[in-house]
Amino acid sequence: TQLLEQSPQFLSIQEGENLTVYCNSSSVFSSLQWYRQEPGEGPVLLVTVVTGGEVKKLKRLTFQFGDARKDSSLHITAAQPGDTGLYLCAGALGSNYKLTFGKGTLLTVNP
Amino acid sequence: NAGVTQTPKFQVLKTGQSMTLQCAQDMNHNSMYWYRQDPGMGLRLIYYSASEGTTDKGEVPNGYNVSRLNKREFSLRLESAAPSQTSVYFCASRGGRGAYGYTFGSGTRLTVV
Repeated sequence: TQLLEQSPQFLSIQEGENLTVYCNSSSVFSSLQWYRQEPGEGPVLLVTVVTGGEVKKLKRLTFQFGDARKDSSLHITAAQPGDTGLYLCAGALGSNYKLTFGKGTLLTVNP
Repeated sequence: NAGVTQTPKFQVLKTGQSMTLQCAQDMNHNSMYWYRQDPGMGLRLIYYSASEGTTDKGEVPNGYNVSRLNKREFSLRLESAAPSQTSVYFCASRGGRGAYGYTFGSGTRLTVV
């Protein structure tokens, strides 16, 4: 059983469209992070959310942590080809900061 | 540039051979982690070291051993490689209290034939 379920698994859109990626669990996380990974590279941290209901914005990216700290979403406005990549959510249980990762959403933004 | 350095980047092993994957970070981070990434499986934790001198098993530790040589270095050893260990291996590190994010290396792509 996957602790963190990400949806959709694949997403192919045109430049300029908006999109939302979801990360859901039945577990409560002390913090949740979003990473982006490009081919041949390691994941790169985008944001960390720690408070239930928290919303963070990073330029065209908006991240939300659910009130119960069990789920999160990533919304991209006016997607660009440079946004193409694998988006991973990862949750930390307790205080040891061991991260459990979702399987990821592979986003392709076509020019 | 500061970060996590992994060596080698690519490796092909024959079944039964052994090898050590090296990882070093220069950010004075306390915690270090080894993950493997497989298609359809995501990133899975193999071993981690919360601080220098300690190591613990993760989700998939069988067939692996680790050594936290000092604060900077955390190595992963395959004693007798198996085809099921074909994967991309990532090392990551994390700073101290309140520092949530991981910094990942660029990975080692290992093929066991």
